[in-house]
Amino acid sequence: AQRVTQPEKLLSVFKGAPVELKCNYSYSGSPELFWYVQYSRQRLQLLLRHISRESIKGFTADLNKGETSFHLKKPFAQEEDSAMYYCALSFSSASKIIFGSGTRLSIRP
Amino acid sequence: NAGVTQTPKFRILKIGQSMTLQCTQDMNHNYMYWYRQDPGMGLKLIYYSVGAGITDKGEVPNGYNVSRSTTEDFPLRLELAAPSQTSVYFCASGSNQPQHFGDGTRLSIL
Repeated sequence: AQRVTQPEKLLSVFKGAPVELKCNYSYSGSPELFWYVQYSRQRLQLLLRHISRESIKGFTADLNKGETSFHLKKPFAQEEDSAMYYCALSFSSASKIIFGSGTRLSIRP
Repeated sequence: NAGVTQTPKFRILKIGQSMTLQCTQDMNHNYMYWYRQDPGMGLKLIYYSVGAGITDKGEVPNGYNVSRSTTEDFPLRLELAAPSQTSVYFCASGSNQPQHFGDGTRLSIL
């Protein structure tokens, strides 16, 4: 069955340190993967998609099909990066998307 | 620019009651979604729609119904509320994946 796993419920790093939020998926087909973010008191929003190969707010994510991973990375964390991050997988069609349980990122000053 | 609007924000229901959660978007998106989020868990897809008149089941559709008579509106109906449906419900829309979410509806079934 399709599944998205985010092994860390909470990740705490110091400002300026590198950040890596882990995401692993299980899907036998060709996946499409996403990262979503929810800042405090704001709505959940799309951060980036793997097919766009984009960098948003300094974050990047590379799809590793061999390791079935889509980790979110940023070289230098900023305090405004503190938020809840969700990894998501699209399968069977672009419209059916499932989410991981989320990782709360806390950036310490 | 309202984006995705959900009503109500909070609701308490008794077991067996029915209600409709409203969702409307003003971005002319074809794709709309309903998710539920239980404490400490990720979002689970209940139903989705790829356009007016078209709906399909997600991961957890049992106990729910939807309709999509217009592009803007995608209401979610609970026919016989059960305690297991206590959750936070999110509606989302997008051009081909969830891009914009509503604020959520916190629903308690007692």
